[in-house]
Amino acid sequence: SAVISQKPSRDICQRGTSLTIQCQVDSQVTMMFWYRQQPGQSLTLIATANQGSEATYESGFVIDKFPISRPNLTFSTLTVSNMSPEDSSIYLCSVDPGGANTGELFFGEGSRLTVL
Amino acid sequence: GNSVTQMEGPVTLSEEAFLTINCTYTATGYPSLFWYVQYPGEGLQLLLKATKADDKGSNKGFEATYRKETTSFHLEKGSVQVSDSAVYFCALRGSNYKLTFGKGTLLTVNP
Repeated sequence: SAVISQKPSRDICQRGTSLTIQCQVDSQVTMMFWYRQQPGQSLTLIATANQGSEATYESGFVIDKFPISRPNLTFSTLTVSNMSPEDSSIYLCSVDPGGANTGELFFGEGSRLTVL
Repeated sequence: GNSVTQMEGPVTLSEEAFLTINCTYTATGYPSLFWYVQYPGEGLQLLLKATKADDKGSNKGFEATYRKETTSFHLEKGSVQVSDSAVYFCALRGSNYKLTFGKGTLLTVNP
């Protein structure tokens, strides 16, 4: 299992600004995943973050908009850049501590962003 | 591509009622199937899983059977409790190892 802490838990942001979300895990994990959950929608994978390499982004998501850092095996950040109201979502960090991509993900509580 | 369709909520039941939340999927190959639950104010948690056809996942009184012939993985519980009130997500992991989620179903159980 894994315990994941995300900061901030929620924030209200102004259009055009950027916000960085932090994700801290209580154990070392190879892969970390960032998801977005828009109001009334399913979870959508933004990117997969491996330590020591660039993140792998899903279709529709780009590094300039969602830069990700992964400096070590227990920590990652996701930045939402140049925000617009369409970026209002819950952003979730998750890990697969089994290390074999078992699909048994553990999730943080999410960061709820509201962009005005 | 892979997709998951689950019944739209919200679902409101009285305590001790029978619960079914329907989930169907589209995928190539032989995906693994999952139900996740999100209790109020908490993160998503894995509820149960099944990795091959006819497998039954179970946990906390909930069950779901992997039905390949109907591409379904319906969640059931014989007698719900107020503490089961949560959002339930059906998900699959396909050959690309990525999780695809349904939209979630909000369940409210009244005493």
